[in-house]
Amino acid sequence: DAMVIQNPRYQVTQFGKPVTLSCSQTLNHNVMYWYQQKSSQAPKLLFHYYDKDFNNEADTPDNFQSRRPNTSFCFLDIRSPGLGDAAMYLCATSRVYRDDEKLFFGSGTQLSVL
Amino acid sequence: KQEVTQIPAALSVPEGENLVLNCSFTDSAIYNLQWFRQDPGKGLTSLLLIQSSQREQTSGRLNASLDKSSGRSTLYIAASQPGDSATYLCAVKYGNKLVFGAGTILRVKS
Repeated sequence: DAMVIQNPRYQVTQFGKPVTLSCSQTLNHNVMYWYQQKSSQAPKLLFHYYDKDFNNEADTPDNFQSRRPNTSFCFLDIRSPGLGDAAMYLCATSRVYRDDEKLFFGSGTQLSVL
Repeated sequence: KQEVTQIPAALSVPEGENLVLNCSFTDSAIYNLQWFRQDPGKGLTSLLLIQSSQREQTSGRLNASLDKSSGRSTLYIAASQPGDSATYLCAVKYGNKLVFGAGTILRVKS
């Protein structure tokens, strides 16, 4: 089945140690999003790609970076994780920007920072 | 500032009851509104999408309504079942981004 796949499911890292989360999709969608969701809070958009065009949210810390080497893959890099970066990271895709387009989410990566 | 609020934060009902979840948003210049379901520790599953020109959408036992002028949406779940237990999130599309509410945690008791 076509889907959005996030790896790993759980990630433990040390304070200050760089970490990369990955997302792949078989939907051939143009748009890929990264959301951060802390416990019992609303998912918060970090950035998104439309094809190769990167769109950063104004309040996303510089500590968070992203790469999209091709249509299928997108990576979230946290350069120096702090304790406050512990969260669920959700990847989502949509075909285009149209108003009737749904978002498809992966199962998320739960990040712990020790 | 574009904000989305969901009330109640948590809800517990007996099996078979009909229930309503509420969502309000501060900026009425929306493109669409979506309802998602999230199971514990999992990603989000899209339930219903209402475009800004529409008033409601239905899927099975779920019905979502949209009143853009008052900045409100409701998700109606008929004949609730224990399998409906999850967190339900409302999200409003502004431009190219979705702004989420914090969700309503629903527990349906058998």
